[in-house]
Amino acid sequence: QLVLTQSPSASASLGASVKLTCTLSSGHSTYAIAWHQLQPQKGPRYLMKVNSDGSHTKGDGIPDRFSGSSSGAERYLTISSLKSEDEADYYCQTWGTGIVVFGGGTKLTVL
Amino acid sequence: QVQLVQSGAEVKKPGASVKVSCRASGYVLSDYYMHWVRQAPGQGLEWMGWINPTSGDTKYAQKFHGRVTLTRATSISTAYMELSSLTSDDTAVYYCARANSYGPTNCDSWGQGTLVSVSS
Repeated sequence: QLVLTQSPSASASLGASVKLTCTLSSGHSTYAIAWHQLQPQKGPRYLMKVNSDGSHTKGDGIPDRFSGSSSGAERYLTISSLKSEDEADYYCQTWGTGIVVFGGGTKLTVL
Repeated sequence: QVQLVQSGAEVKKPGASVKVSCRASGYVLSDYYMHWVRQAPGQGLEWMGWINPTSGDTKYAQKFHGRVTLTRATSISTAYMELSSLTSDDTAVYYCARANSYGPTNCDSWGQGTLVSVSS
């Protein structure tokens, strides 16, 4: 079964970096994923697609502070030089055999 | 640029149906699949299904089978999501989201969301 697992919460200080993790279920380690950001009271925003080889394609206007990478079944979103507006929920998404799955989301707090 | 503009908030009674529209601009609707996703209060994103705007083919999440219907009107670049037999558990913000390609891949543009409230 295709499942994405995310930690419920993460925190980091203003100006620091944070690495969020999305883990693919067993047997799906070659799948690509996408990262989306949900800021409070705003709709979702597509950040990037991350492939199994670590290459990533960002959405329009996404700052260089956001990057993606991979290792095995894990897909990462790294945000550097954290700003207060980065405080949001981050969701990963994957797809296969016609279905689409979202992870449970990670709430990022910027201290 | 790509824009997805959804219809306004709805208030429905239990047992009723709701139909949400999503008007696409900045690209040709038929060139990309369209997903529908919802977020209930305090919950995460939940995929409901997709539609191939060219053929009208659809795929629904198991949870919504029999209750959700996705359609489109290519002449007016609009996709629709209809959900029937509403309960309070269907209170959520509903989003349309364009797929990244002509296929059921990742979402790369989102509508602004439509709040559907179900209450007696």
